[in-house]
Amino acid sequence: QSVLTQPPSVSGAPGQRVTISCTGSSSNIGAGFDVHWYQQLPGTAPKLLIYGNSNRPSGVPDRFSGSKSGTSASLAVTGLQAEDEADYYCQSYDSSLSGWVFGGGTKLTVL
Amino acid sequence: EVQLVESGGGLVQPGGSLRLSCAASGFTFSSYWMHWVRQAPGMGLEWVSHIKSDGSSTSYADVVKGRFTISRDNAKNTLYLQMNSLRAEDTAVYYCARDSGGSYSYYWGQGTLVTVSS
Repeated sequence: QSVLTQPPSVSGAPGQRVTISCTGSSSNIGAGFDVHWYQQLPGTAPKLLIYGNSNRPSGVPDRFSGSKSGTSASLAVTGLQAEDEADYYCQSYDSSLSGWVFGGGTKLTVL
Repeated sequence: EVQLVESGGGLVQPGGSLRLSCAASGFTFSSYWMHWVRQAPGMGLEWVSHIKSDGSSTSYADVVKGRFTISRDNAKNTLYLQMNSLRAEDTAVYYCARDSGGSYSYYWGQGTLVTVSS
């Protein structure tokens, strides 16, 4: 059971928009800690997609965007492309656990 | 170019020990907090431990507390994870990651597989 809750899967057709939610609690997201998002392709290390709730590292397409409100955050992907098919994880810091916490991961399928 | 290269993974029997290493290059290792994150087969990411830049502070996930020890040698630019009393549920790919200062990581190693089985 992950500390942050994500839907196990989402899907969309090419060109469509999908969102992935990430729900935490008062000791992590609700406490004001930032949310970060990673993309992971099979057999590879996670790749930072969004940091500080809504910032994109250099090289990440602006089709990816993040937001945070209260105890939740979300990742939006617009203009879906086949290459976006991957697992996506949200991550924050938890003051009770004194460490990082991750969501269980969401598998994005491009139909 | 920042590089993190893990080593030391392998097959170990339940109850056994293993020490993972993460060789860092391309940045001032002694200036950054470092983390270990693991991923069991077919499962999600799980934070294991972190260590402050000078090694003076550490933290562990409850499931490894008392069994795993994180350490670093800033002179050798190397991060370690000593794993004792290993259990089948510790089977995973172990990644080292450099904290970017905002409690997230842009840089990750390629991972090293630890298999705990008799």
